[in-house]
Amino acid sequence: GNSVTQMEGPVTLSEEAFLTINCTYTATGYPSLFWYVQYPGEGLQLLLKATKADDKGSNKGFEATYRKETTSFHLEKGSVQVSDSAVYFCALSEMNRDDKIIFGKGTRLHILP
Amino acid sequence: EPEVTQTPSHQVTQMGQEVILRCVPISNHLYFYWYRQILGQKVEFLVSFYNNEISEKSEIFDDQFSVERPDGSNFTLKIRSTKLEDSAMYFCASSTDLGPEAFFGQGTRLTVV
Repeated sequence: GNSVTQMEGPVTLSEEAFLTINCTYTATGYPSLFWYVQYPGEGLQLLLKATKADDKGSNKGFEATYRKETTSFHLEKGSVQVSDSAVYFCALSEMNRDDKIIFGKGTRLHILP
Repeated sequence: EPEVTQTPSHQVTQMGQEVILRCVPISNHLYFYWYRQILGQKVEFLVSFYNNEISEKSEIFDDQFSVERPDGSNFTLKIRSTKLEDSAMYFCASSTDLGPEAFFGQGTRLTVV
C-alpha cells in the first residue's frame, strides 16, 4: 500500500541554520505530495504541495521538489526562525479527487534563539 | 479566508457514552473527511464522504463510528459508545474537485475517562 517515511525527530537547530527534513514515499500510482505543518496547540495547515515530477512547492521560505526517480520530497529552508518551531508532516494523496491523504509520522522541529 | 471550523475544541466524556463531533467544512467543498491523531502518533484517516455517502473508510472506522451531513453545512462524526482508546485529536477536512489538497480544521481533542 501507499506510505510515507520521514526522518525521526526531534530536530533542534539554531536560528538562521539550514533545515532539511527528509521524506520518501511509496505509492502504486502517481501521487500528489504535501507538507503540512502543525504549530503548537493548532491544527494542520498546508505548507506546500507538488502534483507532478520535478515540481517545486514553496511557501514561507520553505521548498520541496518532487523527485520521482528517488521517490522523495525533502523539505528545505535556508534560514530557520524561532517561529518555525512546529511539527512537520510529509503526506501524499493519489490522483483521485476524493482519495485520502496518507501522512508520515511527523518531525518535531525546535529552533533555538 | 474560508476555513474549516470544528466544535467543540475539547470534549471530555465518560467511557461508554456517545459523543458527536461537529464540523463546518468550507462552503463550496464537495469532499469531507475525518482523521484522528492519537497523542504523539501519526495522523490517521478514518473516513471520506462525498455526495451524501461514505466513499472510503479505514479499519479504524468500525460500527461504533458514523458520519452524517444533516444539512447543507454541517458534517458530524458520532462515536456511539466511547472507549478509552478513542481518546485522540479528531480533525475534520474538506476539499474541492479542483485540487488534491485537503484543508483541515483546528481539531477536537476528545478525552475519554
